[in-house]
Amino acid sequence: DVKVTQSSRYLVKRTGEKVFLECVQDMDHENMFWYRQDPGLGLRLIYFSYDVKMKEKGDIPEGYSVSREKKERFSLILESASTNQTSMYLCASVGPPYNEQFFGPGTRLTVL
Amino acid sequence: DAKTTQPTSMDCAEGRAANLPCNHSTISGNEYVYWYRQIHSQGPQYIIHGLKNNETNEMASLIITEDRKSSTLILPHATLRDTAVYYCIVRVAGETSGSRLTFGEGTQLTVNP
Repeated sequence: DVKVTQSSRYLVKRTGEKVFLECVQDMDHENMFWYRQDPGLGLRLIYFSYDVKMKEKGDIPEGYSVSREKKERFSLILESASTNQTSMYLCASVGPPYNEQFFGPGTRLTVL
Repeated sequence: DAKTTQPTSMDCAEGRAANLPCNHSTISGNEYVYWYRQIHSQGPQYIIHGLKNNETNEMASLIITEDRKSSTLILPHATLRDTAVYYCIVRVAGETSGSRLTFGEGTQLTVNP
């Protein structure tokens, strides 16, 4: 019954490394999202995509990029990881009637 | 989206009903009340949503006051697995590309044996 999967549950990287976080959904949803979640700051949107090869900046896109080459896959890229990008990263997707967002299990990224 | 306020934490005995309140006094006429929850170290999970009538599904019931300024999520028979952070969100239903979610800090519900 898995709907949204993320490539890693836990990840440890070093400052300056390029980091790829992968998200795959099996519900044929057009819309996919990348959020980060930090204590005291709640859930914040990084990027979203409403179609293949389409992307829109969210509220905190600085330091991140995304790729959506296939409908089911939405990747988040940290070009040069920094310690302030240590966080829980959550991927989500939504389709018609656009009421329920389905979230993946999250990736807890630590940048040393 | 309208702002919501929730208690920081609540406790409930296993098997009893858990009633989680949410205030949303600035809600607009076309905005729905949504509830999600997040079990520790997992992604958020949708629970229920409603406009003005009470709603019930297999997970919970949602009671919205007549003036729509507040609501209560009811878990009728709480179990230990219901221990989680519960988020109340107010937003327009059925948005497409802009259907981002904004979670605050929510209510930490602890179900005790």
